[in-house]
Amino acid sequence: GAVVSQHPSRVICKSGTSVKIECRSLDFQATTMFWYRQFPKQSLMLMATSNEGSKATYEQGVEKDKFLINHASLTLSTLTVTSAHPEDSSFYICSASYPALAGGDTQYFGPGTRLTVL
Amino acid sequence: AQTVTQSQPEMSVQEAETVTLSCTYDTSENNYYLFWYKQPPSRQMILVIRQEAYKQQNATENRFSVNFQKAAKSFSLKISDSQLGDTAMYFCAFPSYNNNDMRFGAGTRLTVKP
Repeated sequence: GAVVSQHPSRVICKSGTSVKIECRSLDFQATTMFWYRQFPKQSLMLMATSNEGSKATYEQGVEKDKFLINHASLTLSTLTVTSAHPEDSSFYICSASYPALAGGDTQYFGPGTRLTVL
Repeated sequence: AQTVTQSQPEMSVQEAETVTLSCTYDTSENNYYLFWYKQPPSRQMILVIRQEAYKQQNATENRFSVNFQKAAKSFSLKISDSQLGDTAMYFCAFPSYNNNDMRFGAGTRLTVKP
């Protein structure tokens, strides 16, 4: 099957620091990965689309200078939360599609990263 | 606009019984896919079942099946012989037309009681 990993699974940081979250497709190549944010007891909301070799596309209301995305290779996308504040505390999830396995737009999700900003 | 609506915030079912989770959606596309994902307490999103809109036959995966009504834009999930491990949040979803990201419903929290 298609496996997507995320690292770290949990991170606690001080306000004002930056945090990098990695998303990797372990057994397939992903030209596009997606970053979602999930608040407690809520659904997943798309933050941005990460495209290998080009700039990320951000959803309306998501600050691109605060949430830096780099898709440096076909198996790795990173999300950096810059100058983190307590309101950035959330659960961040990445996903990638693997049409060759399941066909048609099926997304495989990473296990998520819980960010807590003190 | 592409929207997904889950009108049941919470549901419960006795172990070994059957439960149906509802989902309606809106899209102007004719060919598309629909998905149900499960999010257990670990918060890992797990693909439960997938339906291709051009197929009339309802998808089935072991104890999980869907009732897909294309004209009504309805896509419900039936879980048979419910097990304690089925306790989770269930999200109905489909890919956005122009970007391929997943658009999720609000979710239904299912509790299977022993």
